[in-house]
Amino acid sequence: SAVISQKPSRDICQRGTSLTIQCQVDSQVTMMFWYRQQPGQSLTLIATANQGSEATYESGFVIDKFPISRPNLTFSTLTVSNMSPEDSSIYLCSVIGSNYGYTFGSGTRLTVV
Amino acid sequence: AQTVTQSQPEMSVQEAETVTLSCTYDTSENNYYLFWYKQPPSRQMILVIRQEAYKQQNATENRFSVNFQKAAKSFSLKISDSQLGDTAMYFCAFSPYSGGSNYKLTFGKGTLLTVNP
Repeated sequence: SAVISQKPSRDICQRGTSLTIQCQVDSQVTMMFWYRQQPGQSLTLIATANQGSEATYESGFVIDKFPISRPNLTFSTLTVSNMSPEDSSIYLCSVIGSNYGYTFGSGTRLTVV
Repeated sequence: AQTVTQSQPEMSVQEAETVTLSCTYDTSENNYYLFWYKQPPSRQMILVIRQEAYKQQNATENRFSVNFQKAAKSFSLKISDSQLGDTAMYFCAFSPYSGGSNYKLTFGKGTLLTVNP
């Protein structure tokens, strides 16, 4: 299965600033997914990122707040913009590997103060 | 839209015993995948087991097995010979198998399993 390197693993940010999270995959994948996991909650899909096209956002998530880049088949970034304490969460990227297995990055724990 | 329900927010089990985590789902899809993921305190999401809806045989991975009841839309996870390292949050998840871009996972709220020595 694919191996994903996600950075940073954690960060503490000031409100009003932005943070960019990176995911690097060790193989080419068509779709990458970005999830948010709020404290003590389950995972919620933010958007699906395909290479060469605009990301598709889920209800409640907008591009101005969570811009996504997908410059090639092995890399993607998610930016959390104009952060507030409510954005404090774990953010995870995911890909579909062979045999329909979903692989996740190790997550980014974001704290906004 | 799909929904996944895990009715047990927390469970505990003694080491070496067996525990079953419950999951039900709702969908109008006929072909789909079901998953159990484990998330230890390290927050890494680890695939425990996967079931294809078109397969009647229940999936098994070492100490982990599922009881898949398609008509009842039920997908429980049985952990045998529980180990301390099984302590984690367990998420049940659903994905349609309808092609295109509709591959996203829908997760349940999770069950926190604690294995006691």
